[in-house]
Order: sequence, then C-alpha cells, then structure tokens
Amino acid sequence: DTGVSQNPRHKITKRGQNVTFRCDPISEHNRLYWYRQTLGQGPEFLTYFQNEAQLEKSRLLSDRFSAERPKGSFSTLEIQRTEQGDSAMYLCATQGSAYGYTFGSGTRLTVV
Amino acid sequence: AQSVAQPEDQVNVAEGNPLTVKCTYSVSGNPYLFWYVQYPNRGLQFLLKYITGDNLVKGSYGFEAEFNKSQTSFHLKKPSALVSDSALYFCAVSPPFSGGYNKLIFGAGTRLAVHP
Repeated sequence: DTGVSQNPRHKITKRGQNVTFRCDPISEHNRLYWYRQTLGQGPEFLTYFQNEAQLEKSRLLSDRFSAERPKGSFSTLEIQRTEQGDSAMYLCATQGSAYGYTFGSGTRLTVV
Repeated sequence: AQSVAQPEDQVNVAEGNPLTVKCTYSVSGNPYLFWYVQYPNRGLQFLLKYITGDNLVKGSYGFEAEFNKSQTSFHLKKPSALVSDSALYFCAVSPPFSGGYNKLIFGAGTRLAVHP
C-alpha cells in the first residue's frame, strides 16, 4: 500500500485517558499535516511538520495535545486527559509536491 | 482572516441532471483552490485544483470547477450526475505566497444526494 496509513481506524476511550494515533506517510513525502474533523464540519488544521521539524501549530492544539515526527518518517498525535469534546475524526495528510496532498482514512475517536 | 464558505448544507439532484455545488472564498492575494470528496468513514479524495491559468478546471470523475475572481467563487459542476456521486464535498483554499506548500483551509462541506 503506497497511500497514507493511519492507525487505529477507531478508538473508544474513557474520559481522562490518554490516546495516541499514528500516521505513516507516503515514502519520501517530507510534509505531514494533522487535521481534526468534527461532525458536520470541514477538517480543521492542527499542526504540520517538514521532515522532523514541527513548523506550525494551530491554537486548536491545546496543551493536552502533542505531535511528534521522529526522524521525519511516521508521526504520532497524543491527546492527554481526553475530554468528550475531543471526539472527532483525526486526519493525517502528507505532501510530496506543491499542491499535492494525500489524505489518510483517518482515526475516529470517541470519548465516553 | 482567510475563509471558505459553502452556503448549502445539502444539494439534491436527480440522476442525469447537471449539478452545482457552490463555494466562495475570502483570501488575500491569488488563491490556490481545491475540491475534495469524502465517502462515509473515509479520508478525503482529491477531485481538482485551481492554481493559475484557465478559469475552467477539469478533474476526476467528470467533475469540473469554474474560478471566478470577481465573485471570489469556485463552484463545482458536473454535466450529468450519477447516484454514485452522492457524498460529502469540501472546498478548500491554500494560502497564497507559499508556493503550494501550506495547510488547507476547508469549508464546512456540502452533502450531495443524487436520486435515481
């Protein structure tokens, strides 16, 4: 599979627990983006990396959120002390050329 | 602030009829504009983009979009709708002056329902 892979596809967690999502980009795509999509809304930008450097973070990314991209390959997005408002689809996209974005299928988080 | 508006939550059209999904944007400078489609529990699939040049852009699955600078619009069109076109459609803009390497700003989406 040469697409963007996201795991897990679905995650149900209890409020207050920590969760971590993983995104495996298309090989050699040096830009990687995280978005959050809530029901009835379009995806909202969270953060992006160029290689291993995190270059921009949205104000949506509270202190409970952290993202990493060690060695410029896969990326992880961690949410600490989850809240019900964190329930959403988390999308990863990678970019290997100008204007060329490829999205993964997303991780759907449900906080109960 | 840069933003994208999709004024219709849902568009209903009969199979075989032409369809239009509307999008307007607010961006300083020359925008880069995109349309994506999303099927249930799936990621976003690219349909087409406008970077520069001809105002009529042709994309995947028979879709096209017309860039209108004076009206700041980028409406998605298809001459003959298929039931399989039923999905959620998103218009997006990439901030200019970035050479195409930047985040996307999305509209809220329009649900297209094509009836047999």
